[in-house]
Amino acid sequence: KNQVEQSPQSLIILEGKNCTLQCNYTVSPFSNLRWYKQDTGRGPVSLTIMTFSENTKSNGRYTATLDADTKQSSLHITASQLSDSASYICVVRRETSYDKVIFGPGTSLSVIP
Amino acid sequence: EAGVTQFPSHSVIEKGQTVTLRCDPISGHDNLYWYRRVMGKEIKFLLHFVKESKQDESGMPNNRFLAERTGGTYSTLKVQPAELEDSGVYFCASSQGLAGGFPQFFGPGTRLTVL
Repeated sequence: KNQVEQSPQSLIILEGKNCTLQCNYTVSPFSNLRWYKQDTGRGPVSLTIMTFSENTKSNGRYTATLDADTKQSSLHITASQLSDSASYICVVRRETSYDKVIFGPGTSLSVIP
Repeated sequence: EAGVTQFPSHSVIEKGQTVTLRCDPISGHDNLYWYRRVMGKEIKFLLHFVKESKQDESGMPNNRFLAERTGGTYSTLKVQPAELEDSGVYFCASSQGLAGGFPQFFGPGTRLTVL
């Protein structure tokens, strides 16, 4: 069954600290993976896309990793800011004749002063 | 540049009524997607338009849902008659080209509550 799981379900950290969010998937055949940030009351915003051959990709304070062998991805946030408080969603695309994307349940991150 | 817009932002209707959601994609984006998030669950794909054609509608839950994109610009998603389990947030997204198969830009969503 094609699934995307994320951990932790929720996380509270102090402003300025780092954190790492995890994404495990069983999607096959794998095409690529994106991390989205969703602020409350808004639609998801893409942070980064990872293809099969990429291991690490950074976007400012966000660094995503991908291990296609173990089917795991992580999103590392450095020097967290209050504005990082949001839901972070891992989305995996299957390589099929149509575009098939499967969303994870998200990790709710709260950054507190 | 205007982003993806959706209307209304909220809708509260009674079971059995009809509701029509509208999505205006970013100008020039051929790909338009509909998704929904039912309470406590992950976002799920509903369907994908390329211009005015339905590329993939495998995620549509049943025939009470009808999506259209006349002229290849804005799209509507009609639910008729609405049931309690249709409550959730309906997202629209658009992409220019296939963008790796992912929707690039999401709208803010329409929160639908069926009583």
